[in-house]
Amino acid sequence: EPEVTQTPSHQVTQMGQEVILRCVPISNHLYFYWYRQILGQKVEFLVSFYNNEISEKSEIFDDQFSVERPDGSNFTLKIRSTKLEDSAMYFCASSLGRGDQPQHFGDGTRLSIL
Amino acid sequence: AQSVTQLDSHVSVSEGTPVLLRCNYSSSYSPSLFWYVQHPNKGLQLLLKYTSAATLVKGINGFEAEFKKSETSFHLTKPSAHMSDAAEYFCVVRLGYNTDKLIFGTGTRLQVFP
Repeated sequence: EPEVTQTPSHQVTQMGQEVILRCVPISNHLYFYWYRQILGQKVEFLVSFYNNEISEKSEIFDDQFSVERPDGSNFTLKIRSTKLEDSAMYFCASSLGRGDQPQHFGDGTRLSIL
Repeated sequence: AQSVTQLDSHVSVSEGTPVLLRCNYSSSYSPSLFWYVQHPNKGLQLLLKYTSAATLVKGINGFEAEFKKSETSFHLTKPSAHMSDAAEYFCVVRLGYNTDKLIFGTGTRLQVFP
């Protein structure tokens, strides 16, 4: 069964550094998403992306965050200047369509900011 | 406010006994509801979804859930627990037709004892 893959599984970065989290969505999916889960808290929506542009974003997704689909297969989340509070598990998801189409999640990248 | 509430943070059952994980939602719209499961160090796997068709929804691994509009509930059940069912379970709601943002519950950790 096709799946969403995320790399790396664990990323350790110094505060203030830039970090890029990578995702390969399911190949025929058209909608892409990032969520995060701070330890002990709920999974939170960050952003959705369709047709090479952001379709929706949360209040968390400020100017420090950006997303990109640099080629036909990858979908990336960049954090420009990381803060301690960015430490979390970041999940990428993709879906075939909107609405009732379920979102399929990757295994996540654990980001640790020192 | 539109949200989802999982009533139990932990549920413990013996292998072979029924499982009940409770979820209530609040939504101004006809909701789409999902249950996801997360095994240790793995991503979020879709168990089942409700999208305004049959109110009793069957999912993978013998799980099912019943949408009860009058009770605003979407409880997850399984007749007979297996050791491999031990995991974290998330009830998830999609807010209306114009967004793909998923709202996650806080999760229920299911323990299964031999």
